Amino acid sequence: NAGVTQTPKFRVLKTGQSMTLLCAQDMNHEYMYWYRQDPGMGLRLIHYSVGEGTTAKGEVPDGYNVSRLKKQNFLLGLESAAPSQTSVYFCASSYQILPFYEQYFGPGTRLTVT
Amino acid sequence: DAKTTQPNSMESNEEEPVHLPCNHSTISGTDYIHWYRQLPSQGPEYVIHGLTSNVNNRMASLAIAEDRKSSTLILHRATLRDAAVYYCILRDSLENFNKFYFGSGTKLNVKP
Repeated sequence: NAGVTQTPKFRVLKTGQSMTLLCAQDMNHEYMYWYRQDPGMGLRLIHYSVGEGTTAKGEVPDGYNVSRLKKQNFLLGLESAAPSQTSVYFCASSYQILPFYEQYFGPGTRLTVT
Repeated sequence: DAKTTQPNSMESNEEEPVHLPCNHSTISGTDYIHWYRQLPSQGPEYVIHGLTSNVNNRMASLAIAEDRKSSTLILHRATLRDAAVYYCILRDSLENFNKFYFGSGTKLNVKP
């Protein structure tokens, strides 16, 4: 049981390039999330999904797109990377929303945009 | 959105108890109190949660004030492995229930 995995672990992009971050979970969770964490700060929610084929905006969605074609995968896309998107990206998943659900986080992807 | 206030950092000696405070004066009746921690270079992990009553689990205890405007995470015997950033988070069970708002947390240093 691998839990939540993220691919890649590290990436360097040039301004204007595009890329996709992959998140996979093997716990059959309905809900999945993408966060970003900037140095010295807490996590901020980018987008989330409440089930296969659904996505919704979080706190900081601009500049990102997401897709949830399969229940176990949640993709985060950057169409035209900007230096402001330099950050560590965390994916998380959870069972269906209950007031006391627990989120399981992946190890993170460190992205640098030059 | 209900926000939390935590000290930026705290220090503890190994094998001693640690009390990590959190203020949430604008908490609503439907907000649950969650604690997560983030070890260096890792994603956050769940620690404990509660609504009104004090809670215990294998990792920690959560003491919630009677008026719910503050709470304290208690690590009974700190180990070096407990050095992490601890986040106190409120989550509304009725609205915006799928949004976790992480503050900057408390960085706990544990001295041997």
